Amino acid sequence: DQQVKQNSPSLSVQEGRISILNCDYTNSMFDYFLWYKKYPAEGPTFLISISSIKDKNEDGRFTVFLNKSAKHLSLHIVPSQPGDSAVYFCAALGTGNQFYFGTGTSLTVIP
Amino acid sequence: AAGVIQSPRHLIKEKRETATLKCYPIPRHDTVYWYQQGPGQDPQFLISFYEKMQSDKGSIPDRFSAQQFSDYHSELNMSSLELGDSALYFCASSQGPDTQYFGPGTRLTVL
Repeated sequence: DQQVKQNSPSLSVQEGRISILNCDYTNSMFDYFLWYKKYPAEGPTFLISISSIKDKNEDGRFTVFLNKSAKHLSLHIVPSQPGDSAVYFCAALGTGNQFYFGTGTSLTVIP
Repeated sequence: AAGVIQSPRHLIKEKRETATLKCYPIPRHDTVYWYQQGPGQDPQFLISFYEKMQSDKGSIPDRFSAQQFSDYHSELNMSSLELGDSALYFCASSQGPDTQYFGPGTRLTVL
């Protein structure tokens, strides 16, 4: 059963605009979340993380928002750049240091 | 829906021993990827297979080998284990160069 879900398999955004990638989870015990970016034929690259004690974490153009009551987190990229085109995975840390990955959202930033 | 299966989920070995990790991809997925994630680190891409042939190679040590079998399951063989090999090993599968679905991981502890 998928405990971390990314319901949008793909997203297209114009360069300069905001990209919003969404992630939902089912286990209220998850207390640490990460976003990864992955280019074809490469391993995932860590982007940004957030602890459940916070509701927002910002790093440059990337901001992650966490809504614990809704079990929802989102990644905002602004302004979006063509180099941001990749597959984005959210992951949640469960018990025993087990990461649960979402299925990924493919972002295309159109120049 | 069926997910990626990894076995065992936990494995404890001593230095210089050998370990074999198994990955069973989602049915009809033809590509398997292996990642290693050390404590507090980002996942590192090790190796991938497409249609039973090695398709990409990352930071896989020479002491490790892997293969994909006729039923598309894959095995990661690790010899002469070192303390630094203690990590979470993820397997992911995809249908061609598409979204990767990650398994739950195998936690290897080398004593």
